[in-house]
Amino acid sequence: AQTVTQSQPEMSVQEAETVTLSCTYDTSESNYYLFWYKQPPSRQMILVIRQEAYKQQNATENRFSVNFQKAAKSFSLKISDSQLGDTAMYFCAFTNYGGSQGNLIFGKGTKLSVKP
Amino acid sequence: EAQVTQNPRYLITVTGKKLTVTCSQNMNHEYMSWYRQDPGLGLRQIYYSMNVEVTDKGDVPEGYKVSRKEKRNFPLILESPSPNQTSLYFCASSPRRPGYGYTFGSGTRLTVV
Repeated sequence: AQTVTQSQPEMSVQEAETVTLSCTYDTSESNYYLFWYKQPPSRQMILVIRQEAYKQQNATENRFSVNFQKAAKSFSLKISDSQLGDTAMYFCAFTNYGGSQGNLIFGKGTKLSVKP
Repeated sequence: EAQVTQNPRYLITVTGKKLTVTCSQNMNHEYMSWYRQDPGLGLRQIYYSMNVEVTDKGDVPEGYKVSRKEKRNFPLILESPSPNQTSLYFCASSPRRPGYGYTFGSGTRLTVV
């Protein structure tokens, strides 16, 4: 069974600094997608960034970038120039490319606090 | 505006009283799904649907029912709610398989007493 592990339940960072959130996953598939979702205190789930496993290049969205290490099954999220609005729960998620189940598997989340 | 709409946003009910949480999307998405979120457990899938009249169980389907009679609607039904179903529920939709990313509703906070 596929699993997603986020080993850091909580993290904090000073405003304007850089922070990296870790995520590892376990799968026997070769084609899949990985995601980072953000959940601010408003509880809305917001897609931050998406990575296709067959692409070597790491995805980037403004201040958010990933370090995708396929062999190590690692998918970390780097937030540069942290802002107070980045305070949120962050969830790493995984889905198979060819899966018919439509299941997006989530990690347990990392609570990030950005301090002024 | 493209969105997934869930209602109600908050609900308190008593054990055994049937309830329905509605979910509607206006993006013509094929895939829809229900998740529950509990502290320390992340989000777990309850049921999903690949299209009209096509539904299947996720990881935690016990105590829940769903139906997909129209493409835009995917209600979640609790026939006899119990306190262990107290949770935050999310509906989500995707244009195809979730490789495109799910769009989530704003969540329903359910308390069963």
